[in-house]
Amino acid sequence: GQQVQQSPASLVLQEGENAELQCNFSTSLNSMQWFYQRPEGSLVSLFYNPSGTKQSGRLTSTTVIKERRSSLHISSSQITDSGTYLCAMGDTNAYKVIFGKGTHLHVLP
Amino acid sequence: ETAVFQTPNYHVTQVGNEVSFNCKQTLGHDTMYWYKQDSKKLLKIMFSYNNKQLIVNETVPRRFSPQSSDKAHLNLRIKSVEPEDSAVYLCASSPDYYAEQFFGPGTRLTVL
Repeated sequence: GQQVQQSPASLVLQEGENAELQCNFSTSLNSMQWFYQRPEGSLVSLFYNPSGTKQSGRLTSTTVIKERRSSLHISSSQITDSGTYLCAMGDTNAYKVIFGKGTHLHVLP
Repeated sequence: ETAVFQTPNYHVTQVGNEVSFNCKQTLGHDTMYWYKQDSKKLLKIMFSYNNKQLIVNETVPRRFSPQSSDKAHLNLRIKSVEPEDSAVYLCASSPDYYAEQFFGPGTRLTVL
C-alpha cells in the first residue's frame, strides 16, 4: 500500500481561512520535506523538517516521528497559496524517497 | 534563484526515437536524482546517484539509463520511447542522501 498518505486530497478555502495539511507515513523515516508545486510544474521547497516544528512566515511545519505524521499549517490563506502541496519522506528501511499524492488547495477571494 | 538546471524544457517526439535530457546542479551537492511525474501527478523516483555511484535504481524499464560525467551532472537517456513515457521528468540534488532536496524546473516529454 501507499507508504505516504496525504490528506485531504483537495481543499477549498475562503481567503483568510487557515489550512491544515497532513502527511502520514507507515514506515520509519529519515527525512521529511514539504514542497509547493507551481501550476507550471516546478517544485519549491517549503520545509525540510525531519522532526520538530519549523515556521516561515504564515507557514508552520510539525513532524512527530513516533506518531508517524507531519503537518503543514497555512495561516490567513491567500489566493496565491493555491496550488499543490507535496510531502516527501526518506524511507530508512528501503533507502529511497517517497512522495505523497499531494493536497490540491484552492483559495477563493 | 535556480541552481538545478534542466534542458530541454519540452520535447515532443515519436515512438521509437531516442531522447536525452540533461541536468546540472551548481550547489556542490553529492547526490542527484531523477523523478518521473505522470499524468496523475504522482512523483516517483527513478534513479539516485551519490558522487557518481548509482544508489537506487527503481524498477524502471531498461530503455531508461542514467549517465553521469561528474557529481554535478546527471543526464537521462531513453533509448526507444513509448507512449507511456509521456510525463514530466524532474531532476533534483541534495548535499547527501536524505538531506534537503532542490529541484530543477522539469522536462515535459510528449510521445506521439
